Amino acid sequence: GIQVEQSPPDLILQEGANSTLRCNFSDSVNNLQWFHQNPWGQLINLFYIPSGTKQNGRLSATTVATERYSLLYISSSQTTDSGVYFCAVNGYSTLTFGKGTMLLVSP
Amino acid sequence: EAQVTQNPRYLITVTGKKLTVTCSQNMNHEYMSWYRQDPGLGLRQIYYSMNVEVTDKGDVPEGYKVSRKEKRNFPLILESPSPNQTSLYFCASSLGRPWWGGELFFGEGSRLTVL
Repeated sequence: GIQVEQSPPDLILQEGANSTLRCNFSDSVNNLQWFHQNPWGQLINLFYIPSGTKQNGRLSATTVATERYSLLYISSSQTTDSGVYFCAVNGYSTLTFGKGTMLLVSP
Repeated sequence: EAQVTQNPRYLITVTGKKLTVTCSQNMNHEYMSWYRQDPGLGLRQIYYSMNVEVTDKGDVPEGYKVSRKEKRNFPLILESPSPNQTSLYFCASSLGRPWWGGELFFGEGSRLTVL
């Protein structure tokens, strides 16, 4: 099956810093989503982005499908950005999730 | 508001006492699915359904049952819960099949503890 690798596994930032999270996948995809799991466990849709670039406030994402990677940019990070960020791509009967990047933003 | 609703959000129960976690979506989605999330193991699919009366096993179906009698509802049934089913459970839905590009939406999660 398709492999999804996310980097870095952990990231600690000061409030206000910028960061880039990466997602590599092993095969062509027609579905790629980024999720944020907050400290309370809720999974929140950030982007549906099988290709191209999207922006939503301080967050943006780019997927280069031909090179099999996606990037999530977080600018001017806030403490509420803390949590785990998952990339997921189409698998056999659902989405295949990466192991996530755990982000901690300190005041 | 478009959403996937799960209940209960938190539950502590004892071994062997049957329980049902309900899931309902108001987006007229055809595809629905259940996942469990465990530390170090990530999100694993339990069961999925591509339409009413059509269900199939995911990666970890043992100990679980599902039904899809109506398009909007997809309950997860634990007939005889055991401690290894202690987990965080998510229901999800999408208009089209995720592997064909359907965007997946998750419920808020149900944290289950089996003593």
